[in-house]
Amino acid sequence: QKEVEQDPGPLSVPEGAIVSLNCTYSNSAFQYFMWYRQYSRKGPELLMYTYSSGNKEDGRFTAQVDKSSKYISLFIRDSQPSDSATYLCAMSDRDDKIIFGKGTRLHILP
Amino acid sequence: KAGVTQTPRYLIKTRGQQVTLSCSPISGHRSVSWYQQTPGQGLQFLFEYFSETQRNKGNFPGRFSGRQFSNSRSEMNVSTLELGDSALYLCASAWGVGTDTQYFGPGTRLTVL
Repeated sequence: QKEVEQDPGPLSVPEGAIVSLNCTYSNSAFQYFMWYRQYSRKGPELLMYTYSSGNKEDGRFTAQVDKSSKYISLFIRDSQPSDSATYLCAMSDRDDKIIFGKGTRLHILP
Repeated sequence: KAGVTQTPRYLIKTRGQQVTLSCSPISGHRSVSWYQQTPGQGLQFLFEYFSETQRNKGNFPGRFSGRQFSNSRSEMNVSTLELGDSALYLCASAWGVGTDTQYFGPGTRLTVL
């Protein structure tokens, strides 16, 4: 079983819809959870970072962590065509090694 | 301020050759991490340097090595290239270590023929 599982997509949704992106993990030692966005031909950029179970909101983005289920989610409200990118979940333990999911390709249809 | 820069952006090599990739972190950042990104394996951690010392290493063979200079610039080297080394190599810099926010460069696209 991979340490981090993420559906590669592609996921296509109409503009304005709510997008839900998810990852599951197997290592209960993971304490820090991140979401990165990667546009084509660019490096990833950090969107959200959290270390506790529950929700964290930043503008149109909400990160959700459920440590008991080993499940994390990223919600995008009022999705825009500019949100079209690959979204990578990432997590790390106390040794600070970061493990990334393979990424979900998201297409927002105008 | 300028972001993370990586050179070269594209590189084509043949099997058996070696390659050196360069990364210049954001000014003031002392941590540099390297990652390999492929469609099949995704983004995989190679190693992390802080103040010229390797702090963490991923599960890659010894053909992959790196170093960091006193000005925080970093290089990674891959010897005896294999076809499977074709990938996007990303460098990320951070002010500190651990969970400090990492800023990624655009990557070097390496193709091994």
